[in-house]
Amino acid sequence: EVQLVESGGDLVQPGRSLRLSCAASGFSFNDYAMHWVRQIPGKGLEWVSGISRNSGSITYADSVKGRFTMSRDNAKNSLYLQMNRLRAEDTALYYCAKEYDSSIPYFEYWGQGTLVTVSS
Amino acid sequence: DIQLTQSPSTLSASVGDRVTITCRASQSISYWLAWYQQKPGKAPKPLIYKASSLESGVPSRFSGSGSGTEFTLTISSLQPDDFATYYCQQFKSYWTFGQGTKVEMK
Repeated sequence: EVQLVESGGDLVQPGRSLRLSCAASGFSFNDYAMHWVRQIPGKGLEWVSGISRNSGSITYADSVKGRFTMSRDNAKNSLYLQMNRLRAEDTALYYCAKEYDSSIPYFEYWGQGTLVTVSS
Repeated sequence: DIQLTQSPSTLSASVGDRVTITCRASQSISYWLAWYQQKPGKAPKPLIYKASSLESGVPSRFSGSGSGTEFTLTISSLQPDDFATYYCQQFKSYWTFGQGTKVEMK
C-alpha cells in the first residue's frame, strides 16, 4: 500500500524558515517523480514544486521560486521542502504527491498534508 | 502559464441527478487533463486522467470527455458519497489546477 506521510508543519514568523518532510513507502520511491501541492484552508489547490526521480530536474511555481528548495533522498525514501523567507501568503496545508509516471504525470497518490502557518 | 477555469463554482443537485462540470483551458492542452475529488479534511483523490481514462477503483458513473481547451466531468447518477469539491488539473505544461466546483445537496 502506497503511503505518503508529511511532517514538519508549524507556526512560524514571517521571514523565518521551515523544512517539510514526506516519508514514502509501499512503492519504489526512486522510480517516480514527486511533487508538493499546497492548499489554503477552504481554498483551492496550488502546485508548488516537482522533482524528477534522480533530482536532475526540479521545477517551482513562480510564487515560491527563489525562496523554496525541493530535494529528495532516495536512500531514505524521503522528500523535502526547504521554505525560506516565509510570507503570510505561504500559510497553507502542504501535500506531497506521487506522480503516476513520467509519460502521464498526474498525481496518483497524495499524503494527508502538514499545516504551515506564517504569522507574527 | 496555462490557466484553467471551472464552471460552475457551486452546483446544487439531488441524488440521482446527472451532473456536468466544465473546465476550460487558456490554451490547448490536448488531453493532458485530470479530475480530482476532494472531501472536507481529506486529500484530493484522482478520478480521471488523460481527459477520459477512469482511475482504477473509481465508479463507472464518473466519466470525462474533451480535448484541446474544453473538458467535462460527468456524474451520470449522483450518489450520496459524491457530494464533494471537484478540481481539474492540466499537466501539459507544468501543473495547474482549476479553482474547484463544489457539488452540494439541493
